[in-house]
Amino acid sequence: ELKVEQNPLFLSMQEGKNYTIYCNYSTTSDRLYWYRQDPGKSLESLFVLLSNGAVKQEGRLMASLDTKARLSTLHITAAVHDLSATYFCAVDIGYGGSQGNLIFGKGTKLSVKP
Amino acid sequence: DTGVSQDPRHKITKRGQNVTFRCDPISEHNRLYWYRQTLGQGPEFLTYFQNEAQLEKSRLLSDRFSAERPKGSFSTLEIQRTEQGDSAMYLCASSQTPGNTIYFGEGSWLTVV
Repeated sequence: ELKVEQNPLFLSMQEGKNYTIYCNYSTTSDRLYWYRQDPGKSLESLFVLLSNGAVKQEGRLMASLDTKARLSTLHITAAVHDLSATYFCAVDIGYGGSQGNLIFGKGTKLSVKP
Repeated sequence: DTGVSQDPRHKITKRGQNVTFRCDPISEHNRLYWYRQTLGQGPEFLTYFQNEAQLEKSRLLSDRFSAERPKGSFSTLEIQRTEQGDSAMYLCASSQTPGNTIYFGEGSWLTVV
């Protein structure tokens, strides 16, 4: 069974602190996506990770991919309230021409408090 | 670039009625996807098109669901004989080439009463 597991599912953190969200997946894949979703809104693309060892950073967020361990991480540095949202990782289980069939995790609901 | 556009944004329908959602992808994006998301869950893949060809369908897409992209531009998703279990947000997404960033629309919320 294909599984994408995120942990934690809920994360309450103080402003200024660092934390990491983990995304484990059970199938071979060569690409992984991170999205942000605000309540009642659609998904905003954060990162697309295309190869083993890929690391991308944008502002206070940094994502990495280890395809051998089937693990991706989303690291939050010096959190601010504006980062409060639900974060999803998604694994692309398609290859070649069938890419785009994404299996999403359940999401990590992040709440950043003063 | 106006983003992926979906219509209607909200739809309330009685059980047994048919509903249709429309999606306009980002201009020149040849890939178009449909996903479904229920409260507290991640989106689930339904189907995708490469231009006008429907290349993959999830087993979640029962016979009551049909999607089209007749001219390789906009797409429609029709649900026939709606059931309460169909209540969800239906998300459309598009990308320019396989493997590139997939951009999601704002979604169409369906409530079946």
